[in-house]
Amino acid sequence: KAGVTQTPRYLIKTRGQQVTLSCSPISGHRSVSWYQQTPGQGLQFLFEYFSETQRNKGNFPGRFSGRQFSNSRSEMNVSTLELGDSALYLCASSGDGQGAPWEQFFGPGTRLTVL
Amino acid sequence: QKEVEQDPGPLSVPEGAIVSLNCTYSNSAFQYFMWYRQYSRKGPELLMYTYSSGNKEDGRFTAQVDKSSKYISLFIRDSQPSDSATYLCAMSGRRGSQGNLIFGKGTKLSVKP
Repeated sequence: KAGVTQTPRYLIKTRGQQVTLSCSPISGHRSVSWYQQTPGQGLQFLFEYFSETQRNKGNFPGRFSGRQFSNSRSEMNVSTLELGDSALYLCASSGDGQGAPWEQFFGPGTRLTVL
Repeated sequence: QKEVEQDPGPLSVPEGAIVSLNCTYSNSAFQYFMWYRQYSRKGPELLMYTYSSGNKEDGRFTAQVDKSSKYISLFIRDSQPSDSATYLCAMSGRRGSQGNLIFGKGTKLSVKP
């Protein structure tokens, strides 16, 4: 069974630009969560999608947005990039998002560098 | 005070050593406890998990939870160079993945041959 895949793996953007990251969950998984990982703040929850609806959202500005498609694939978008948005963006999938917290599986991440 | 505190290290040990990694937490509602291993340029992978208090052993790895002290530990016996990675603790007070998981910042471990 293929794991969570994320594309692209690396991105370099400049301040003010926008970026779209993609995540394909494990086959059969319908819940997709996004996290931002930085050395200073660690892993922080961005939002979770289930059945094409955002079910929960972390404490990030509105520049961070996402969506989920009918095949459970998800995208996240960051507009008006700032230097502080440089991070590893991780996607995690789980069956329905209601199971034990250890039942979500992480992808390899997208490394975003903002210059 | 942060909800979860984890010493970032780095921690360097010789091959074969016993490694002890720890996290403290402040929220007494936490009852799901996990340890993740993250290799460079990779996403976190689940290593161990426990529910409520007690110990759990899996091969060379042992996870311990002491809820009275709000303290969790991961022990690695006979450490190997392949164990070199960042270890993240994570915990939650309830089921589900809707942002309930709180992570430590990770401890970077290096096992020298």
